[in-house]
Amino acid sequence: GQQVMQIPQYQHVQEGEDFTTYCNSSTTLSNIQWYKQRPGGHPVFLIQLVKSGEVKKQKRLTFQFGEAKKNSSLHITATQTTDVGTYFCAGVVSWGKLQFGAGTQVVVTP
Amino acid sequence: DGGITQSPKYLFRKEGQNVTLSCEQNLNHDAMYWYRQDPGQGLRLIYYSQIVNDFQKGDIAEGYSVSREKKESFPLTVTSAQKNPTAFYLCASRLGGVGTEAFFGQGTRLTVV
Repeated sequence: GQQVMQIPQYQHVQEGEDFTTYCNSSTTLSNIQWYKQRPGGHPVFLIQLVKSGEVKKQKRLTFQFGEAKKNSSLHITATQTTDVGTYFCAGVVSWGKLQFGAGTQVVVTP
Repeated sequence: DGGITQSPKYLFRKEGQNVTLSCEQNLNHDAMYWYRQDPGQGLRLIYYSQIVNDFQKGDIAEGYSVSREKKESFPLTVTSAQKNPTAFYLCASRLGGVGTEAFFGQGTRLTVV
């Protein structure tokens, strides 16, 4: 069954507001990856976190890996219409098996 | 120009027919994956392969089959045993190992009527 879980499933955000999406694994991960899929498109790699407690930033996006390496979060500040899409976290849960969370679909209201 | 190619983009089949989806990559990646995407379901893993002539079942392998006879190719066959085959299918590849990113094809939208 699904070993990588993501919440919320949907996120409606007013333009300019902040929001956070969360990812949890039932097992300890060696690393966590985040992808973005624009409507009608395919997932595109955003970033990878490797170290316990690691925090990385990409402009308005802040990614964090938990101390136990079983959870991660993506925080977006000052949301823009270009942030629309579905954000997925993913981890290698066993040898070679890259498993994705269910994703958080983000809708931005102008 | 390196990348991963899926064909066709749209595919229509009659119920009861087998259909094969193509996935080719020229990135020299060892690992390849097939995912199915339904609305609200995220990406569910069907099959994956770490090396040529070897592959493993993912979480929803029933009704699907694959082969990995060449490093660059990983075709997926949707058989008549798959109860609800209409979906968006995504193929991905990785260099291999734990810390490498996945590259996705454009996807094939399969509709069974």
